[in-house]
Amino acid sequence: GDSVTQMEGPVTLSEEACLTINCTYTATGYPSLFWYVQYPGEGLQLLLKATKADDKGSNKGFEATYRKETTSFHLEKGSVQVSDSAVYFCALSAPSGGSYIPTFGRGTSLIVHP
Amino acid sequence: SAVISQKPSRDICQRGTSLTIQCQVDSQVTMMFWYRQQPGQSLTLIATANQGSEATYESGFVIDKFPISRPNLTFSTLTVSNMSPEDSSIYLCSVEDLGLGNTIYFGEGSWLTVV
Repeated sequence: GDSVTQMEGPVTLSEEACLTINCTYTATGYPSLFWYVQYPGEGLQLLLKATKADDKGSNKGFEATYRKETTSFHLEKGSVQVSDSAVYFCALSAPSGGSYIPTFGRGTSLIVHP
Repeated sequence: SAVISQKPSRDICQRGTSLTIQCQVDSQVTMMFWYRQQPGQSLTLIATANQGSEATYESGFVIDKFPISRPNLTFSTLTVSNMSPEDSSIYLCSVEDLGLGNTIYFGEGSWLTVV
């Protein structure tokens, strides 16, 4: 079945450091790929997405590129802020029996220190 | 994007009682999903709810424990029955937007603590 693998957390960084959170996937066909963010005490928000190979999703300074050849969708940010501290979930959505059931990674906690 | 409202946002429940969570969407959607997120964990899909049909439950979840209603294309409820402390979780309603790359949108979640 489909699966998403994220790097283990927590990831601890100083403010203005570079961030990479690795995400690889296994899916049949051509899934859409997503990153969701969950701030403390809140629900999940869509951060960015890509629907086909070589697409780059971007939002709030975060970027991720859909790499079909390496089945990856790594999340990157050039300079993190304390306000970026949250849990980040990589996900895919692929057709299954006529609908699209999403598959989520385990989440990666990011802690940014001043 | 779809806007999803969940109620209650938080509740403290007594062991053995039941609680119904409501999910309202601002547009008509075919697929609605209910997830559970236990403390510090990822999301676990409880069931998929289509309007006019029985919900489809994932392995480990049963209708007697988590009955779901889907009376129309903008509304669904999830009931957590006969609660125990192990049911303390965030329960999340989500919808699928087929028009935007099959994007899944979430409500703010219902944070339940069972004492």
